[in-house]
Amino acid sequence: GQNIDQPTEMTATEGAIVQINCTYQTSGFNGLFWYQQHAGEAPTFLSYNVLDGLEEKGRFSSFLSRSKGYSYLLLKELQMKDSASYLCARGSSASKIIFGSGTRLSIRP
Amino acid sequence: GAVVSQHPSWVICKSGTSVKIECRSLDFQATTMFWYRQFPKQSLMLMATSNEGSKATYEQGVEKDKFLINHASLTLSTLTVTSAHPEDSSFYICSARDPQGGGPYEQYFGPGTRLTVT
Repeated sequence: GQNIDQPTEMTATEGAIVQINCTYQTSGFNGLFWYQQHAGEAPTFLSYNVLDGLEEKGRFSSFLSRSKGYSYLLLKELQMKDSASYLCARGSSASKIIFGSGTRLSIRP
Repeated sequence: GAVVSQHPSWVICKSGTSVKIECRSLDFQATTMFWYRQFPKQSLMLMATSNEGSKATYEQGVEKDKFLINHASLTLSTLTVTSAHPEDSSFYICSARDPQGGGPYEQYFGPGTRLTVT
């Protein structure tokens, strides 16, 4: 949605690593967010990148390239509880956050 | 800290009736709140920005006369779905911005309200 593209679905194996890519429209860009959302629940904040590069937070890392309009979320040592939707979102004007359509990640044993 | 609540958590109403959903910031004052709608297996779509003491700003395509937003205090915003129809059945989520927080995008999400119109 709103010029933010990410894969609709992905499947990965418990204990493995998965990378979820996101591309976005660069005009009016004010930072890139990643949220996790379990079914029927509100999204929970994972990361916010403003500058280029990789930011690591435990098992989760997020990367941003502003010139390419590209970001990815890297999840390591996957656990079954990581099965969820991962929403890429960008900051817009007036403190608004615009969400992509989300990637549904399924973890198999 | 930074807790946002929504009430009710779920509601079922008949077609043609109106439903009010409340969004409260419990431990901070939120000058700005946001209302989102999420249909099954889709992402969050921003409906409107609610500013305390002024009119809400609606996103393109959202009917302001159907989705009434009131932000009468620094801790409460309400969304009223007027003359609800089955196609309004959705998950409604609010978020609140803490002006004392880390930045302009420091938003805290409520748990959501599941609306079913029969």
